[in-house]
Amino acid sequence: LAKTTQPISMDSYEGQEVNITCSHNNIATNDYITWYQQFPSQGPRFIIQGYKTKVTNEVASLFIPADRKSSTLSLPRVSLSDTAVYYCLVVPISGNTGKLIFGQGTTLQVKP
Amino acid sequence: NAGVTQTPKFQVLKTGQSMTLQCAQDMNHNSMYWYRQDPGMGLRLIYYSASEGTTDKGEVPNGYNVSRLNKREFSLRLESAAPSQTSVYFCASSELLAQGNEQFFGPGTRLTVL
Repeated sequence: LAKTTQPISMDSYEGQEVNITCSHNNIATNDYITWYQQFPSQGPRFIIQGYKTKVTNEVASLFIPADRKSSTLSLPRVSLSDTAVYYCLVVPISGNTGKLIFGQGTTLQVKP
Repeated sequence: NAGVTQTPKFQVLKTGQSMTLQCAQDMNHNSMYWYRQDPGMGLRLIYYSASEGTTDKGEVPNGYNVSRLNKREFSLRLESAAPSQTSVYFCASSELLAQGNEQFFGPGTRLTVL
């Protein structure tokens, strides 16, 4: 399973764009990259998932370079309510489908 | 739809006591999971059930047992609780992750073992 590395914490201000980068050097050919968000005292919530290039939904964008050894979650114009922990996961397509590794995640603190 | 529900929300046990954490989902998902989260840490997979009738160990299965009662329900049992099992327990469900589907999480059970 591909191990992921992300910054432990980040600070930002309301209205700014936030980019969180995740390293996954050992990603396999058919693995997906997935990001989850977790607020205090709640279970994680799916944000976005991608395989290559760029994926965008109503809350975030995910940028994946051609070599797929890293990915960047982009949150446009953050607000105080975006303060949370963000997890980058590599999801295996074949075998061990239940064995996700969440890691410590990135704690994002948005300041007024 | 309630999504994923867990009971109880809070529980305090004494060392050596047993208890069962209950989880149910109403999304007709095939796969269900149990995680634990210790303070300041990410989630660690305890057990999972890829489909009804099957269960497999995750990263930290020692001290736990599970039962996939039917497609909706997946319970986690602590036979003899230890202080090291003090944690927040999350249940999740999904369609097969092999197809890139997301996991849906319950609200968690906060367990303290004295």
